[in-house]
This record gives sequence, structure tokens and C-alpha cells, in this order.
Amino acid sequence: DSGVTQTPKHLITATGQRVTLRCSPRSGDLSVYWYQQSLDQGLQFLIQYYNGEERAKGNILERFSAQQFPDLHSELNLSSLELGDSALYFCASSPGGARGETQYFGPGTRLLVL
Amino acid sequence: QQQVKQSPQSLIVQKGGIPIINCAYENTAFDYFPWYQQFPGKGPALLIAIRPDVSEKKEGRFTISFNKSAKQFSLHIMDSQPGDSATYFCAASKSYGGSQGNLIFGKGTKLSVKP
Repeated sequence: DSGVTQTPKHLITATGQRVTLRCSPRSGDLSVYWYQQSLDQGLQFLIQYYNGEERAKGNILERFSAQQFPDLHSELNLSSLELGDSALYFCASSPGGARGETQYFGPGTRLLVL
Repeated sequence: QQQVKQSPQSLIVQKGGIPIINCAYENTAFDYFPWYQQFPGKGPALLIAIRPDVSEKKEGRFTISFNKSAKQFSLHIMDSQPGDSATYFCAASKSYGGSQGNLIFGKGTKLSVKP
């Protein structure tokens, strides 16, 4: 158990809909990262937050957005969903203050868009 | 453009064998190279990591070899066991402002260790 929690575990929805994925980082970790894992693209970085502020952006679509709240939990919002958005979405956390820090991954949310 | 290239895609070895997984990177600004292990239905978990000022790092049965001039690094699993059957990902990251950035992953290697 990494200490990172993600809800829900599974999500089935229809094209055009909007969903919210939630992540609670390990206690004390200030950095939260979101990654998408799909069969064709592999594990891809979406976005990073550090202590409530956006720190880095990767291959995140404009239809996707995220935020980190004062209690450090984070939410990833996916809207106007398409079939190709079906994937595993992982949240990872790290303390955020030093080089070479381990990123601890949560168990993921499996999204299926029908 | 794939910044971290990993091979092979899949690997089958007998118990006790030494699987080797290779990765190559392009960006010389990368300064942190972790390997992650992922079991089906689980999130990736850090196995071992290395920084470019070290050529080899060993933790238990897992060894990373790092060749800075060739921009390559590899994972060796000594005395492999059926429980090591999983997907392995190499990754790279660069630091900025004193902290480590996001991970860029290779495509993964599915390892199967036969009893």
C-alpha cells in the first residue's frame, strides 16, 4: 500500500459526459502528479500540482482540468468524454522539496467510456 | 518523439535466470532514472533508482547499470522468481528549482518467469 488513495476504482460512462477523479496523496506530500495509462500510449504525464499551485503540464487535453485543494487532495476533471479517453488514470505523490524523490502511485481509476 | 525507449516489449525466462531490460534516453538534462514494477490491477511501484553520477546500483536481486556516454541504462534481475512476473517500466526525469520533475516512462516490458 503506497499511502495514495484514489476514488472511484472503476468508472463507466458515456461519450460526451463529464467525470471527476479524486486523489488523496500520502500524508505530508505536497506534490501530486496525474498520469494516464493506455495500451497504445503507455504511461503519460498529464499535470503536476505543488501545494495548490500548478507546477507542470504534460500531454493534457484542453477537455481535461485538475486542481489541488488546501487539504492537498486533488481532482482530475474529464469532460466531453470520447471513446479514446478510456484508460487507467493514476495519481502519484511525493514530498515535493528535493531532487530524486520517489513518486508513490495510487491504485488508479479505470475509466471506460462507452 | 519518444524520449525514453525501452526494450524488449516482452521477456520470458526460466526461474533462476537473469532477465535484462534496456532503456535509452535522449535528453541529457535527465538526472534521475527510476525503474517501476507494476502488477496487473495495481499502480506502479518504485523498484530501484539511479542518478547519472553512479554507474551501477544494487538493491537485493535488482541491479541498475548506467552508461552516461551512451545514454543507456538497464535493469538486471538476479535469480529471477515467478513472483517477479510483472511489467517493468524505466523512466527518466529532470530536476528544476531543487525538486524533481515529472516522470517520462518507457513503454514497458512484460516479464514472465517460468517455474
